[in-house]
Amino acid sequence: DAKTTQPPSMDCAEGRAANLPCNHSTISGNEYVYWYRQIHSQGPQYIIHGLKNNETNEMASLIITEDRKSSTLILPHATLRDTAVYYCIVSRTNFGNEKLTFGTGTRLTIIP
Amino acid sequence: DAGVIQSPRHEVTEMGQEVTLRCKPISGHDYLFWYRQTMMRGLELLIYFNNNVPIDDSGMPEDRFSAKMPNASFSTLKIQPSEPRDSAVYFCASSLDRVPRVNEQFFGPGTRLTVL
Repeated sequence: DAKTTQPPSMDCAEGRAANLPCNHSTISGNEYVYWYRQIHSQGPQYIIHGLKNNETNEMASLIITEDRKSSTLILPHATLRDTAVYYCIVSRTNFGNEKLTFGTGTRLTIIP
Repeated sequence: DAGVIQSPRHEVTEMGQEVTLRCKPISGHDYLFWYRQTMMRGLELLIYFNNNVPIDDSGMPEDRFSAKMPNASFSTLKIQPSEPRDSAVYFCASSLDRVPRVNEQFFGPGTRLTVL
């Protein structure tokens, strides 16, 4: 699986949009970009995934560049409960549920 | 659904003792994963099962670790003998093989293991 690079930490003011970047320059054509987050002391939680089109769900939006070498997760109106470690993961899904390789992620702190 | 259930939530044991961690996946899920998380190594996949069959155990650190899935609703991760370096949070996760395929794994609350 392609490797990802994320900033180790970020701060965001409560109520503002949080934009979390991820680089995956070696991504291959059949690999998807997944985002998970882990709130302190809990198991990771799936947020969103995409292949090449931008995606949106009730939790977040995912913007993938046209060359697919980077992406941005957007939390449109961050709340204190969004404080967590966010993991960007590249994974194939065409062979069933491939294993996920979690990196070090970005520790996002929402500031009141 | 209650989600993925793990027991115990906390385990403290002494070096050399056998430890058994338990997991009940979400009903109907086809895949079950065991992860370990430490400050030094982050979140690592140990082993995963598909329809109760082990698919990839390359992450299992050594022969002291073993995992079984006797049926679709139960799995165990056993450490025998345990060592202090096994201290970590162990997570179990399950997922559903559906169409279109999505690698959405549902994680349990974890078992915090401390080996003295």
